[in-house]
Amino acid sequence: DSGVTQTPKHLITATGQRVTLRCSPRSGDLSVYWYQQSLDQGLQFLIQYYNGEERAKGNILERFSAQQFPDLHSELNLSSLELGDSALYFCASSRGPTGSYEQYFGPGTRLTVT
Amino acid sequence: KNQVEQSPQSLIILEGKNCTLQCNYTVSPFSNLRWYKQDTGRGPVSLTIMTFSENTKSNGRYTATLDADTKQSSLHITASQLSDSASYICVVAPNTGTASKLTFGTGTRLQVTL
Repeated sequence: DSGVTQTPKHLITATGQRVTLRCSPRSGDLSVYWYQQSLDQGLQFLIQYYNGEERAKGNILERFSAQQFPDLHSELNLSSLELGDSALYFCASSRGPTGSYEQYFGPGTRLTVT
Repeated sequence: KNQVEQSPQSLIILEGKNCTLQCNYTVSPFSNLRWYKQDTGRGPVSLTIMTFSENTKSNGRYTATLDADTKQSSLHITASQLSDSASYICVVAPNTGTASKLTFGTGTRLQVTL
């Protein structure tokens, strides 16, 4: 158990809908990262927050947005969902803001868009 | 463009045998290189993390090596077990000040059979 929690574990929704994925980082970690992993694909970095502020942006679509709250949990909002958005979404947390800090991954949320 | 390439893409070995997975990267400057194990549908779990000054690091039956001059790393698994069946992902962290984005390889899928 990494100490990172993600909810829900599974999510099934229809095209055009909007969903929110939630992540709670490990105790004491200030950074939260979001990743997308499509079937048989590598992990794609979406976005990072550090202590409530956006820190780095990756291949995140405009339909997607995220935020980190004062209690450090984070939410990833996906809107106008398309079939191609079906994937595993992972959250990871780390103590500090840079790549020199170890990242701990959550169990993921499996999103299925029908 | 920063890249991480892994080989082979997939590998099948008999239980008890050893194997070596390869990782070549072009990320520069470089902070650290990590190997993760990812069971199907689960979050990646860190096996080793090495800075540019480290040549080798072990974690039980897993031994990672790093040659920063040739930009190559390998992960050696000794006396494989059925539970080693997973994807193994090589990840390189840049050393560019505040940058935090990791570069992920697409992984080697290992299957250990009886």
